[in-house]
Amino acid sequence: EAGVAQSPRYKIIEKRQSVAFWCNPISGHATLYWYQQILGQGPKLLIQFQNNGVVDDSQLPKDRFSAERLKGVDSTLKIQPAKLEDSAVYLCASSEGQGENYGYTFGSGTRLTVV
Amino acid sequence: AQSVTQLGSHVSVSEGALVLLRCNYSSSVPPYLFWYVQYPNQGLQLLLKYTTGATLVKGINGFEAEFKKSETSFHLTKPSAHMSDAAEYFCAVSYTGGFKTIFGAGTRLFVKA
Repeated sequence: EAGVAQSPRYKIIEKRQSVAFWCNPISGHATLYWYQQILGQGPKLLIQFQNNGVVDDSQLPKDRFSAERLKGVDSTLKIQPAKLEDSAVYLCASSEGQGENYGYTFGSGTRLTVV
Repeated sequence: AQSVTQLGSHVSVSEGALVLLRCNYSSSVPPYLFWYVQYPNQGLQLLLKYTTGATLVKGINGFEAEFKKSETSFHLTKPSAHMSDAAEYFCAVSYTGGFKTIFGAGTRLFVKA
């Protein structure tokens, strides 16, 4: 089966600019996650979708980050305006169920550098 | 609150030696436990998971982990390291009804020839 697809792989932007990331999960996976992985740290959940509804966005900086999952399939994560501390790898993952005991399938990530 | 602690940000072993990566968790309810591996410039890949049942769990690439409730541990082992095992390993915990999976900070494994 095809894996989780993410694009772009790399992005370099100046601070205060905007950027968007795209994710296509594994077909049939209802749950989709966006994680932020800062260099040297473990992934931190930004937002979790169940179909096209938000389950958890408690750690999403909503003043600058937004995410949507229209039609319950693809998802986009946007940052506007970007700050230097947003430099990280943004990982998208999907799972068959709510994910508590399923485990996730991750995409290769988008490496964002804010200069 | 749930948390995960991985002891040692870097572990170095010789090829053919035992690999032991340590993970301790904190959870007030029965946990689900996971190990993921991340190769350079790639996403995380599920190695193995413990949900219920047998406490010794076998995963891919010859890795296994044992859930020890009394020690709140889920250490990852492999009898004989291979050069291709060099990567970063993440322990993670979730629980029924909790939805969110929490990841440890990771342990980078180096394998010396």
